[in-house]
Amino acid sequence: SAVISQKPSRDICQRGTSLTIQCQVDSQVTMMFWYRQQPGQSLTLIATANQGSEATYESGFVIDKFPISRPNLTFSTLTVSNMSPEDSSIYLCSLRTEVFGKLFFGSGTQLSVL
Amino acid sequence: GQQVMQIPQYQHVQEGEDFTTYCNSSTTLSNIQWYKQRPGGHPVFLIQLVKSGEVKKQKRLTFQFGEAKKNSSLHITATQTTDVGTYFCAGPFDPNAGGTSYGKLTFGQGTILTVHP
Repeated sequence: SAVISQKPSRDICQRGTSLTIQCQVDSQVTMMFWYRQQPGQSLTLIATANQGSEATYESGFVIDKFPISRPNLTFSTLTVSNMSPEDSSIYLCSLRTEVFGKLFFGSGTQLSVL
Repeated sequence: GQQVMQIPQYQHVQEGEDFTTYCNSSTTLSNIQWYKQRPGGHPVFLIQLVKSGEVKKQKRLTFQFGEAKKNSSLHITATQTTDVGTYFCAGPFDPNAGGTSYGKLTFGQGTILTVHP
């Protein structure tokens, strides 16, 4: 199984600022994803991070708000831009090694926006 | 839209009692996966079922996948305090059955299990 390092683990941010979350994997993987988990809720897919091209966003999520980079097969970042209290959530990077296979998750970033 | 529903939302049991959570999809799934998230932790993969009617066991946990590949259940026998957490089902919708989110996992809402010692 892959080892995923996600940071920061938590942050408290001011309204209007931006936060970049990093996800590093110890091996090359094709499929990387970013999920959001609002307090007490399920996991919602934000986007698929594509290596060398623009991310594929799910309905309700846009690139201007959640820009994603994936410069290579082991690293990705998610930025939460112009934050508001509604963005307070846990953000999780994840990866999959097979198209219909299981997901591995990073430890998550707990974001609180004041 | 394509949805995965999970019930109950919460379950409180005494240690030693059994627990079951149910998962229902609006569309046929290619497979069903189950994850456990401990309080303060991240989701961890438990198991994947692929075949219609499949049943798998992991010690005290029994997983079933329905004949129509649209529902699933997780049953825990004689719960222990270590079973505490949220259990999620998730599945990729079958593109051959009209699923439009190819390969993407859609998660159920989860069942929060608390176990009283």
